[in-house]
Amino acid sequence: EVQLVESGGGLVQPGGSLRLSCAASGFTVSSTYMNWVRQAPGKGLEWVSVIYGGGYTLYADSVKGRFTVSRDDSKNTLYLQMNSLRGDDTAVYYCARDETRGLYEFDTWGQGTLVTVSS
Amino acid sequence: DIQMTQSPSSLAASVGDRVTITCRASQSIINYLNWYQQKPGKAPKLLISDASRLHSGVPSRFSGSGSGTDFSLTISSLQPEDFATYFCQQTHIIPQITFGQGTRLEIK
Repeated sequence: EVQLVESGGGLVQPGGSLRLSCAASGFTVSSTYMNWVRQAPGKGLEWVSVIYGGGYTLYADSVKGRFTVSRDDSKNTLYLQMNSLRGDDTAVYYCARDETRGLYEFDTWGQGTLVTVSS
Repeated sequence: DIQMTQSPSSLAASVGDRVTITCRASQSIINYLNWYQQKPGKAPKLLISDASRLHSGVPSRFSGSGSGTDFSLTISSLQPEDFATYFCQQTHIIPQITFGQGTRLEIK
């Protein structure tokens, strides 16, 4: 069964850091495009970042220079390192698979992990 | 960035009703338009891609249409499990993909 399970969310102070994890099963993260998408409380969806199979990465302007996406192929796990966190980064963060490898059709999502940035 | 505007923002309907949700892009996105369904506390699910292609396992009562700037999602006969929030997503400009603000479909 194809599955994604996020972890690592929590409460962090403004300016702090957090690392999210997304463990995959049923497929290989290095063979596809993996994304992070977030949703602020009661709001819509916002694309955050993608890592291609070859390791190339892209970011939304709102997180560029602060967030870093990576993966550990031996663990079949995706990560999102978030630094210099701000209040508007508060959201549920989802990892999502794009099996089309570039059409950004997210066919599989994790359950999400909540990040709250507050003092 | 391309702005995606959905209407209505919320909609109340009854089981068995035919419902249409619209999504308008601020510029042409050809047919690079996907639809997702999200239930409270759950992750979104892909329903339709390329404006009209039904994703595997999605019931045939769901359909999508449109091109250019105007798109729609239609549910031909609402079922109890269809009450949820629906989002459109444009993927024409990569990686600046954007989503609509969502349409909440509620039981009348």
